[in-house]
Amino acid sequence: GENVEQHPSTLSVQEGDSAVIKCTYSDSASNYFPWYKQELGKGPQLIIDIRSNVGEKKDQRIAVTLNKTAKHFSLHITETQPEDSAVYFCAASDSWGKLQFGAGTQVVVTP
Amino acid sequence: EAGVTQSPTHLIKTRGQQATLRCSPISGHTSVYWYQQALGLGLQFLLWYDEGEERNRGNFPPRFSGRQFPNYSSELNVNALELEDSALYLCASSARQGGGTEAFFGQGTRLTVV
Repeated sequence: GENVEQHPSTLSVQEGDSAVIKCTYSDSASNYFPWYKQELGKGPQLIIDIRSNVGEKKDQRIAVTLNKTAKHFSLHITETQPEDSAVYFCAASDSWGKLQFGAGTQVVVTP
Repeated sequence: EAGVTQSPTHLIKTRGQQATLRCSPISGHTSVYWYQQALGLGLQFLLWYDEGEERNRGNFPPRFSGRQFPNYSSELNVNALELEDSALYLCASSARQGGGTEAFFGQGTRLTVV
């Protein structure tokens, strides 16, 4: 089955700096890669996703890149703000739609 | 439009008892996924239902079971509760079976086994 690895496990950045989270996946048949943000006491919120026929996608301050050959994808957050502090999860979806999640990255943005 | 709703928000049970957790998907969504999130850990896939059928289950013992009703809502049952079952149980729904479909999560049910 699919295995998703996520790094780093924790990330501390100064407000205004950029944050990058990287994930690798094992199943070459995976074709959908969403990112979720989870704030304390809440369920994960879908923030951006990318499909296998696209190399990069951007939405305001967040962007995701995908390298299918290397089987890795990354989340980039620019101009970080304190409200970006949360746990971020990457995921890969197999052909059936089941999501396999990475272990999560705790992002802390310090003012 | 209402999002995914889960009930109850919190549930406290004694070891050995049974717990029932409920999930209502977004209107029009037919697939429901259940995940377990133990404290400080990631999301572990439990069960997937679509069109009333169980499509897949994760690496959990048979005392974790569930069902999906004709209105696509779902129930997760955990029998013979153990202390390590204490976790946040998350339900997600998506519009259709198959890859590339956005999945949206509810707020979760916090199950505490004492």
